[in-house]
Amino acid sequence: EVQLVESGGGLVQPGQSLRLSCAASGLTFSSYWMCWVRQGPGKGLAWVALINADGTSTYYADSVKGRFTISRDNAKDTLYLQMNNVRAEDMGVYYCARDFAWGRSDYWGQGAPVIVSS
Amino acid sequence: DIVMTQTPLSLPVTPGQPASISCRSSQSLLHSDGKTYLHWFLQKPGQPPQLVIYEVSNRFSGVPDRFSGSGSGTDFTLKISRVEAEDVGVYYCMQGLEAPRTFGGGTEVEIK
Repeated sequence: EVQLVESGGGLVQPGQSLRLSCAASGLTFSSYWMCWVRQGPGKGLAWVALINADGTSTYYADSVKGRFTISRDNAKDTLYLQMNNVRAEDMGVYYCARDFAWGRSDYWGQGAPVIVSS
Repeated sequence: DIVMTQTPLSLPVTPGQPASISCRSSQSLLHSDGKTYLHWFLQKPGQPPQLVIYEVSNRFSGVPDRFSGSGSGTDFTLKISRVEAEDVGVYYCMQGLEAPRTFGGGTEVEIK
């Protein structure tokens, strides 16, 4: 059974940093692209970032480019999202998902809440 | 970036009746490999999103056959032939042709 478990969410002050993790099991993690998707309070889904299987290529939404970094450790079957210079509009639930192919996100984690407040 | 537009915003449906959601992209989602990278997700209340339809018309594993997807180029439709109570939630289309990927704004399906 494929499982994706996010961690690292919590309260962060504007301008500060936070790192989310997503531990994967039940799949050959190193074979798949992975992504982060977020959902602001009462809002729709917003795609955040994407990384290829070996971590050499990354893609970002314009809203987070230059502030967020997606990375992975295939030896640890773990995906990361480093969030720097966090803003109020970054608040929400962050989901990691497997991007099986061309956006086909077939497995999702339960989500990690990020609260931005001073 | 490719803009995805969904209609309607809200869709009240009587159980057993059909439902239809439209999704339009700002540019064709047809790839040179012949596939069209348009997917549909459902987010039930309090749950993460789940894949319903991939590449326009392919039902994901375990998805009931009352769900169907159609369309081409820039215009797509998700249909539920007979809505059941378990189908309530927000449906999103998403394009996978380019990064950044982009979602439609969502359509909330509710039971009348």
